Amino acid sequence: EAGVTQFPSHSVIEKGQTVTLRCDPISGHDNLYWYRRVMGKEIKFLLHFVKESKQDESGMPNNRFLAERTGGTYSTLKVQPAELEDSGVYFCASSQVAGHSYNEQFFGPGTRLTVL
Amino acid sequence: AQRVTQPEKLLSVFKGAPVELKCNYSYSGSPELFWYVQYSRQRLQLLLRHISRESIKGFTADLNKGETSFHLKKPFAQEEDSAMYYCALSPVRNTDKLIFGTGTRLQVFP
Repeated sequence: EAGVTQFPSHSVIEKGQTVTLRCDPISGHDNLYWYRRVMGKEIKFLLHFVKESKQDESGMPNNRFLAERTGGTYSTLKVQPAELEDSGVYFCASSQVAGHSYNEQFFGPGTRLTVL
Repeated sequence: AQRVTQPEKLLSVFKGAPVELKCNYSYSGSPELFWYVQYSRQRLQLLLRHISRESIKGFTADLNKGETSFHLKKPFAQEEDSAMYYCALSPVRNTDKLIFGTGTRLQVFP
């Protein structure tokens, strides 16, 4: 089992450019989460998919961020246009369908985004 | 406001010494509390959760609702415990989103 995978591992772009991050969850996991850690700050929740539907997108910072999960498998997070403050590490996590108890979230290695 | 506070950015101890990583939370309901750990060059992973009341790798954490705390403890630290530790809260049942603290780096010296 490869676990949650993310691509790319690093991305360096200039302000104003577009970047797309990809996350492949563990096979069979319906829940998919995006988080972000900006340098020196806490890991912050961005959004949560259940299959292809957005369950909670309360953490998305603004409309420059667009997340999709077509077909309920992998997910992409696009930043367009990128700003300096978007720099950080973007984590993806997945878990099985939520039941009556907490379902452990398994994290990917993260994508380090640097906006110059 | 929902918030998790970890007051220490860095905690350094010698091998065999007791360890306590502090975590306080702010939440009006009944949250679920967790400790996640990230070892060097590894992924963030769940260490333990308050509902299971178990000891993992010698670590324990007790939820104190009166003090709104969930401190992580280990009586005798080992060098392999050196890592970044994050306290996290899950406030809403149907989303399971996690609210993290800023993390505490634990360094255990030989």
